[in-house]
Amino acid sequence: GQNIDQPTEMTATEGAIVQINCTYQTSGFNGLFWYQQHAGEAPTFLSYNVLDGLEEKGRFSSFLSRSKGYSYLLLKELQMKDSASYLCAVMDSNYQLIWGAGTKLIIKP
Amino acid sequence: GAVVSQHPSRVICKSGTSVKIECRSLDFQATTMFWYRQFPKQSLMLMATSNEGSKATYEQGVEKDKFLINHASLTLSTLTVTSAHPEDSSFYICSAKDEKQGGDTEAFFGQGTRLTVV
Repeated sequence: GQNIDQPTEMTATEGAIVQINCTYQTSGFNGLFWYQQHAGEAPTFLSYNVLDGLEEKGRFSSFLSRSKGYSYLLLKELQMKDSASYLCAVMDSNYQLIWGAGTKLIIKP
Repeated sequence: GAVVSQHPSRVICKSGTSVKIECRSLDFQATTMFWYRQFPKQSLMLMATSNEGSKATYEQGVEKDKFLINHASLTLSTLTVTSAHPEDSSFYICSAKDEKQGGDTEAFFGQGTRLTVV
């Protein structure tokens, strides 16, 4: 079956760095997405990886290893507003998104 | 970036009535739109894939007669929750792929609709 795993919850300190991991097993692979979702709101797009390696976008970076079925989202210089759920999703061979359950990130002062 | 507009953002309805939710792609054409449902503290659950000009494809366990989907144009898909009950209360989100970009790079989300059935 298809499966996306990511930690349920993580806690980090304001100003620090946090890495949120995502492992996946899917039927086919057409890219991996990271989304940020604040409570009560729709997800917002953060990143898309289809090739191996690191993609950097300001304070956020995303890494992909297709051979290992593994990705991580790296958040630097954490701010209180980064407190949110972070969703990992993989687009399978049918171009449908398979979603992880999300990682709730709690930022402490 | 591309914008997907979803309306209404919040709706409260009486049990037994029907509610229509609209999803519009504002600056691109979307042959395919997706409808999701999200329960509190849970991930998005794909309900159905809406295809312009043809019938929607529903995921297993989703009642197609209860959740009516109409994708009448390349920029509009609607989800109608018929004979709503309190257990249908949830957060409904639509997304659309920008076909001009090859359709595979991003799925843009609407703002979501919070449905409360009383």
